[in-house]
Amino acid sequence: EADIYQTPRYLVIGTGKKITLECSQTMGHDKMYWYQQDPGMELHLIHYSYGVNSTEKGDLSSESTVSRIRTEHFPLTLESARPSHTSQYLCATGLAGVHEQYFGPGTRLTVT
Amino acid sequence: SQKIEQNSEALNIQEGKTATLTCNYTNYSPAYLQWYRQDPGRGPVFLLLIRENEKEKRKERLKVTFDTTLKQSLFHITASQPADSATYLCALDLYSGNTPLVFGKGTRLSVIA
Repeated sequence: EADIYQTPRYLVIGTGKKITLECSQTMGHDKMYWYQQDPGMELHLIHYSYGVNSTEKGDLSSESTVSRIRTEHFPLTLESARPSHTSQYLCATGLAGVHEQYFGPGTRLTVT
Repeated sequence: SQKIEQNSEALNIQEGKTATLTCNYTNYSPAYLQWYRQDPGRGPVFLLLIRENEKEKRKERLKVTFDTTLKQSLFHITASQPADSATYLCALDLYSGNTPLVFGKGTRLSVIA
């Protein structure tokens, strides 16, 4: 099983707050991804990275930022939380040139 | 527009029967197609990958087919068990291992004892 850690697992926060969701992995995978998933819906790609100092935007990137300073760490920051950000956030990793992705347990975010 | 459709949102079958889940796509030409399992409140888990030049792939009780003409993949679970109850997602892998996957909404499978 892949060693991917996400913290916090659950977060309830007020509108307008700045929040950072943490994702770390111990496998040395080059590729890392952030997805947003609402119940019963598909995963939407927010940001991804193919290595240190490399980040790319996905479909839902406009209200968040990421950084990849170290291979093992890929934090996601929402500058100003809104109720529409209430969702499950999933971090995933993958090896370069390998197709399958490994997912973390997720962070369930509620913005009140 | 580009779209992935997985058959009904929910599928109920009796234990021991074969479950068949469908993934249809339009306006894509994936080089690979992947299937994942997702349990409630958890991240997806990779199950199988099939290449565009493969017609069928098997792994234990799982079988996947890929028809690029029909733009369809079928995912079969034979001799289904209650433990197979989960949501199953298909994901299109458009070019290589270095492009993001495009996921469908998934089909929630319930295997009834």
